[in-house]
Amino acid sequence: GAVVSQHPSRVICKSGTSVKIECRSLDFQATTMFWYRQFPKQSLMLMATSNEGSKATYEQGVEKDKFLINHASLTLSTLTVTSAHPEDSSFYICSARHRVGDQPQHFGDGTRLSIL
Amino acid sequence: AQTVTQSQPEMSVQEAETVTLSCTYDTSENNYYLFWYKQPPSRQMILVIRQEAYKQQNATENRFSVNFQKAAKSFSLKISDSQLGDTAMYFCAFMDYNTDKLIFGTGTRLQVFP
Repeated sequence: GAVVSQHPSRVICKSGTSVKIECRSLDFQATTMFWYRQFPKQSLMLMATSNEGSKATYEQGVEKDKFLINHASLTLSTLTVTSAHPEDSSFYICSARHRVGDQPQHFGDGTRLSIL
Repeated sequence: AQTVTQSQPEMSVQEAETVTLSCTYDTSENNYYLFWYKQPPSRQMILVIRQEAYKQQNATENRFSVNFQKAAKSFSLKISDSQLGDTAMYFCAFMDYNTDKLIFGTGTRLQVFP
């Protein structure tokens, strides 16, 4: 089956640091990748939709300057949390699909971000 | 706006028994997908089962089946012969063909006891 790799799986860093998370589709070309955020004991909330070669579309309330998304190739999207603060600590998870309407989306294993 | 509601924050079931997790949703769309995802402690999102709204037949995957009631906007998950490995958070999710975005419910934590 389709595999999506997310790296790193765990990050602990100091407040003010910028953190980059990678999402790679290993065996298919992902025209679209989605970034979600999950707080403890809560559901997944979509942050943004990333289409290859174009700007990401952010959901309402998500700061685009805070969460920079780059989808430069058909197999890689990156999420950079800029100047991270403790309130940015969360579980970030990506998913990918090949074409519009392809289901299901294939999820990465997630990244646990802890800001001290 | 579409919403997904899971009214059972926690459920428990004894091994080998059957349990049903409920999910309701709200939409004005006619074409959409519905999903159940499992999230074990590892936090990986695992697709359990999916249903296309235009299909009247309820989806089944081995021990997992759904009761899809389109008019009532209900999409419950039945787990038969529960196993210890079924212990996890279960999320119901909705996706309409137009937005292509997954909307998740708040989840149900299922505990399977020996």
